[in-house]
Amino acid sequence: AQSVTQLDSQVPVFEEAPVELRCNYSSSVSVYLFWYVQYPNQGLQLLLKYLSGSTLVKGINGFEAEFNKSQTSFHLRKPSVHISATAEYFCAHGDNKFYFGSGTKLNVKP
Amino acid sequence: GAGVSQSPSNKVTEKGKDVELRCDPISGHTALYWYRQRLGQGLEFLIYFQGNSAPDKSGLPSDRFSAERTGESVSTLTIQRTQQEDSAVYLCASSPYPGRTEAFFGQGTRLTVV
Repeated sequence: AQSVTQLDSQVPVFEEAPVELRCNYSSSVSVYLFWYVQYPNQGLQLLLKYLSGSTLVKGINGFEAEFNKSQTSFHLRKPSVHISATAEYFCAHGDNKFYFGSGTKLNVKP
Repeated sequence: GAGVSQSPSNKVTEKGKDVELRCDPISGHTALYWYRQRLGQGLEFLIYFQGNSAPDKSGLPSDRFSAERTGESVSTLTIQRTQQEDSAVYLCASSPYPGRTEAFFGQGTRLTVV
């Protein structure tokens, strides 16, 4: 069965520091990968997606992710985070239906 | 409509009652998904509809849960004889091409069973 693993349940970071949220997926013939963000008491909003092409994907709010086929990873990165980035981040793998990771809570401290 | 619409946004019900949650997907989206998110938890897959194909019900936690969708339109998720452990946010999402492009999520229905 397909699966997505988010290795860190919580990531604390200071404002303006770089951040990386890790995601690994189970290998599949088709690879469609997504990162979503969920702010408190809100629905899920798409940050970025990888469907094909360049392995470095840029999304909204300055986030980017790199698809690494050999490592079956799709880590999310931002070089400098603001307090407003405090939220929960979900990695997902699409293969007919969507398989979501358990989420990573990013806590940006002043 | 402009996005996925779910109703009601909040529902409080007594233990043992039945509840019905509604999802209006984006027009033209063939795929529709229901997920459950318990407080502080990730997304738990419940059921997936794709066009006129038989739905994937593999995530439904018990026979008290059922869902219907007519064609590519509205879907309803029904929970019979609600239990306190059913308290959660129920999220609906739709997608034009299942798995091959992003799913668009509604704001969810927060269900509280008292």
